[in-house]
Amino acid sequence: DVKVTQSSRYLVKRTGEKVFLECVQDMDHENMFWYRQDPGLGLRLIYFSYDVKMKEKGDIPEGYSVSREKKERFSLILESASTNQTSMYLCASSSGQDSNYGYTFGSGTRLTVV
Amino acid sequence: GDSVTQMEGPVTLSEEAFLTINCTYTATGYPSLFWYVQYPGEGLQLLLKATKADDKGSNKGFEATYRKETTSFHLEKGSVQVSDSAVYFCALTIQGAQKLVFGQGTRLTINP
Repeated sequence: DVKVTQSSRYLVKRTGEKVFLECVQDMDHENMFWYRQDPGLGLRLIYFSYDVKMKEKGDIPEGYSVSREKKERFSLILESASTNQTSMYLCASSSGQDSNYGYTFGSGTRLTVV
Repeated sequence: GDSVTQMEGPVTLSEEAFLTINCTYTATGYPSLFWYVQYPGEGLQLLLKATKADDKGSNKGFEATYRKETTSFHLEKGSVQVSDSAVYFCALTIQGAQKLVFGQGTRLTINP
């Protein structure tokens, strides 16, 4: 089975801290994605990457950056955490060959910024 | 732009009831359509999909038919169980593109 692993299930950080959320997939997928999930808003795309060292902004990139130095790893960075970034963060990956297979998701990281 | 609209939740049903969760979409190309399910404390899992008009996706007793004329992909199940309690997301992707566009999710609770 394809696995997408997010390094932490729960995180509590202070306002102003730099936060790293890590995501690793083991199926050699080309595409990786970061979403945040908030009640009533569904999933909103933050950033995505089609290949190593490539990144593209999603719908809500402000306050975030990403890094993809290796194909299997996609990191989300909160440069200076704020309370409005308290959310559930979901990482996903997909094959570049066929979008019809959909995504494989990680279990999520629930981040609380205090 | 491309978008997905789901029925408002939460939805509460009794066990063995019939379930429908409505989903409609707006897309500029020819989308593939998906339903994902999120059980408590977990990430999203692909439930079913349909890649062209009139296709029916099915899995675990759930079904959804891709209706191009009504731009809809409603999720149905004939007899729900307590274990079906979860949040359900409708989503689309355009052929050749890789981004998924999600609806806002519908929370379903099934009471014994």
